[in-house]
Amino acid sequence: GAVVSQHPSWVICKSGTSVKIECRSLDFQATTMFWYRQFPKQSLMLMATSNEGSKATYEQGVEKDKFLINHASLTLSTLTVTSAHPEDSSFYICSAVGVNQPQHFGDGTRLSIL
Amino acid sequence: GEDVEQSLFLSVREGDSSVINCTYTDSSSTYLYWYKQEPGAGLQLLTYIFSNMDMKQDQRLTVLLNKKDKHLSLRIADTQTGDSAIYFCAESRNFGNEKLTFGTGTRLTIIP
Repeated sequence: GAVVSQHPSWVICKSGTSVKIECRSLDFQATTMFWYRQFPKQSLMLMATSNEGSKATYEQGVEKDKFLINHASLTLSTLTVTSAHPEDSSFYICSAVGVNQPQHFGDGTRLSIL
Repeated sequence: GEDVEQSLFLSVREGDSSVINCTYTDSSSTYLYWYKQEPGAGLQLLTYIFSNMDMKQDQRLTVLLNKKDKHLSLRIADTQTGDSAIYFCAESRNFGNEKLTFGTGTRLTIIP
């Protein structure tokens, strides 16, 4: 149980394009989803907390207009990196939480901006 | 703010026990977790412990918590090559829908 699916797993695109990453809880309803960013050989950095039906809460230093988060249903949250540039290249990981459950993570999305 | 520290590297011979250590600073930490990350993948929850517990065992995994010293450890018995990964400890004040503070991660290497 507690499977979280993240899509796509790897994306390469040109500078200036927008990229959408999906995070789905497959076998439970996720009241909260989290979006993390991980640089090579580093720990996870929380970007934002997303609750279904409400605006995401962004961590200090994370540009909300740059990283758009939508949590339209209890099983889906999306992160859109708008007008992506090479410095946005990173490994993005989502996690989802059900009632009385710990966080379960997706497999991550490797984003490469050329 | 909260701070979680781990050693960066650990090498262990196959078949031996691995002990990965973690220290944290937030005295309000109530839940402590161990996650495993294999190359290019997300994080897999291994186990978690509530702060009123001293120990939790699950098959080859044993978690020890010293709340007084704010020290957490993960022992992996009979370490196998498939245990090679980065291990993150994390803490939170509440269970579930609260952000986790992660340690720096410990890269476990298995020596044949």
